[in-house]
Amino acid sequence: DGGITQSPKYLFRKEGQNVTLSCEQNLNHDAMYWYRQDPGQGLRLIYYSQIVNDFQKGDIAEGYSVSREKKESFPLTVTSAQKNPTAFYLCASSMVSGRALGHEQFFGPGTRLTVL
Amino acid sequence: AQSVAQPEDQVNVAEGNPLTVKCTYSVSGNPYLFWYVQYPNRGLQFLLKYITGDNLVKGSYGFEAEFNKSQTSFHLKKPSALVSDSALYFCAVRDEGWGKLQFGAGTQVVVTP
Repeated sequence: DGGITQSPKYLFRKEGQNVTLSCEQNLNHDAMYWYRQDPGQGLRLIYYSQIVNDFQKGDIAEGYSVSREKKESFPLTVTSAQKNPTAFYLCASSMVSGRALGHEQFFGPGTRLTVL
Repeated sequence: AQSVAQPEDQVNVAEGNPLTVKCTYSVSGNPYLFWYVQYPNRGLQFLLKYITGDNLVKGSYGFEAEFNKSQTSFHLKKPSALVSDSALYFCAVRDEGWGKLQFGAGTQVVVTP
C-alpha cells in the first residue's frame, strides 16, 4: 500500500447524499485509476486518468464523477444517482497508461462505503 | 476485447504442499500479465508480471508463474505453501495496445496447518 493513501477507511452514507473518496499518491505516477470491488466479481474500472485535467470513463462510470486537478490527487465522488454504492473502492496508480511498457499498478488500502 | 478467467473460486492446500492458482486469458495482441494478492480489507499487492522474455517469471514471497502462449495460460505457483499465503489472488491482463487492466474474479486460497 505504500505511496498511495485513501481516506477515509470506512464511510457511511445516507441515501440521497453525495460523498467524496480521497486518493493521493506520492509516487510521481502519471496515471491513476478507481476500481470498485464487490464479492465474487473481482475489480471493475470506474474511471481512469492518464494526465492532469483529463480522465476517461471505465466500465461502470454511471453514478460516479472524478476530477484530476493535480498529478497527486484523483478524488472520486459517489453521487446519489449511483443506485447500489455499497462496495469496497480501490484507487491505483501507475507510471504509464496506454501503450507499451507493462508497468504494474500500485494500489491504495481502499475505502469501504456503506449506504445506510 | 481482452478477458481473463480464474476457473477456481477457491483452492485448498495443506501447508508445505505445492500451491497452484490457475489463470487463462484472451487478448488480440501480445499480453501483459500480472498477479496480485489481497488480504482482508486491504488493497492489492503486486506479486509478479510477464511482459516478454523467459516464460517462467519469479516474483515476491517465493511465488512464480509460467506463461504458456499456446494454452493462453499464466498459472501462479509456489513450491511449498504457508498458512500466511491464505488470501485472495487476482490475475490480470492487458493488451499491449490498450491501457486498461482486466482482472479475473479472484481465487481464494486457503492453506491449512
